[in-house]
Formats: sequence, structure tokens, C-alpha cells
Amino acid sequence: DAKTTQPTSMDCAEGRAANLPCNHSTISGNEYVYWYRQIHSQGPQYIIHGLKNNETNEMASLIITEDRKSSTLILPHATLRDTAVYYCIVTDYGQNFVFGPGTRLSVLP
Amino acid sequence: EPEVTQTPSHQVTQMGQEVILRCVPISNHLYFYWYRQILGQKVEFLVSFYNNEISEKSEIFDDQFSVERPDGSNFTLKIRSTKLEDSAMYFCASTPRANTEAFFGQGTRLTVV
Repeated sequence: DAKTTQPTSMDCAEGRAANLPCNHSTISGNEYVYWYRQIHSQGPQYIIHGLKNNETNEMASLIITEDRKSSTLILPHATLRDTAVYYCIVTDYGQNFVFGPGTRLSVLP
Repeated sequence: EPEVTQTPSHQVTQMGQEVILRCVPISNHLYFYWYRQILGQKVEFLVSFYNNEISEKSEIFDDQFSVERPDGSNFTLKIRSTKLEDSAMYFCASTPRANTEAFFGQGTRLTVV
């Protein structure tokens, strides 16, 4: 089973920041937090990952709480093309990703 | 940008037939995976492969499934005798090393009739 819980769905207005939360209260010290997204039935697309520090790349920012029990993925300026299912995944060295149901993000015009 | 490629994009097969799904991982990657997604359901891990052997497999990956890296570039998933419930999207993924992002292919839609 997935070690994370996410809201089932969220809406966001185009051009606004989308903040997607994830709870991973049982995360252990060697486990990373990964975010992927899936547009329609395409292959999952990597977004970002982190261990304990906040991370930023060209797609998004990842904010991890100090106790590491939750995180937030931030898409700073959501576009219609960001409509997708977003998966928060916790994984260790074994690297086999366990996908939960994710959050269905709808970006509205 | 390098990408994982999968062929075919869609395969229809009769129940009981063998099917081989093909993947070309990114060239310098060392870890390879197969996942599947039944329509409307979660993405599920099937198997991981490293150093020419299976490193982990899920309960779904029973004796009907096998994987192979026959020639150093292709990575294949074989289903020996397909069942209706094998109908799904099958995704191949690869990573250059452990604990880094996996790159997924666009998938093969397998339809068993």
C-alpha cells in the first residue's frame, strides 16, 4: 500500500499557484519524497524529489516540513496543461515506486 | 532529450496467446522496471531488473510473466498465456542509478480479447 495520503481532487485557476499537499507521517529517515504526474493515460512524468530540504526546479517547488511528515508540491503558475493526476510517493533505496490514487488537479480557465 | 520508448503502442491479442512488450530504456541507465495500470486504477509495480537479473517483483508478477534484456538495449516483458485481466497499460521505466528519478515510457496498451 502507498505510504502517503493525498486529497482526491483539487481545482486551481489558470495562472495561480497550485499547492498540492501530501501526508507521509510514517516516513523513515532514508526515504525520499517523489512527485510524479500522469496526464490522461500517458506514462508518469517525474516532477521533483527531496529528502529533507526544500527543492526547486523548472517545473515546481517541493516544501517538506521539518518533521518530514508532510510535504507540498507547488506549481507556481498553473496552466491548462498542468491538468493531471499528481502522485506523491515515498520510497527508499529499493526504488520501487508504490503509486496511490493521487490528486486529480483540474486547472480551470 | 533522451526518452524511454515502448513498442507497440497498442497490441490486441487473443486470450491464451503469448505477447511480448518491448522497451528501449535510456542508454546509460542501469535499472529497469515494468509497471501496469488497469483502466481507471492505480499504477502498479510489476518487476525491477538490475545487473541482468530480477531484483524485486510483486505478487502480480507470477509464472506467466518474464523479463529479459536480450541484447543490451531492449528490455522485454513476456506474458506467456494472456488472460482477459491482463488487459492494461504497461509502462516501462529506467533509472541511471538507485534513488533517483525514474523515466517512464508512454506505455503499451494491451487488450486481451
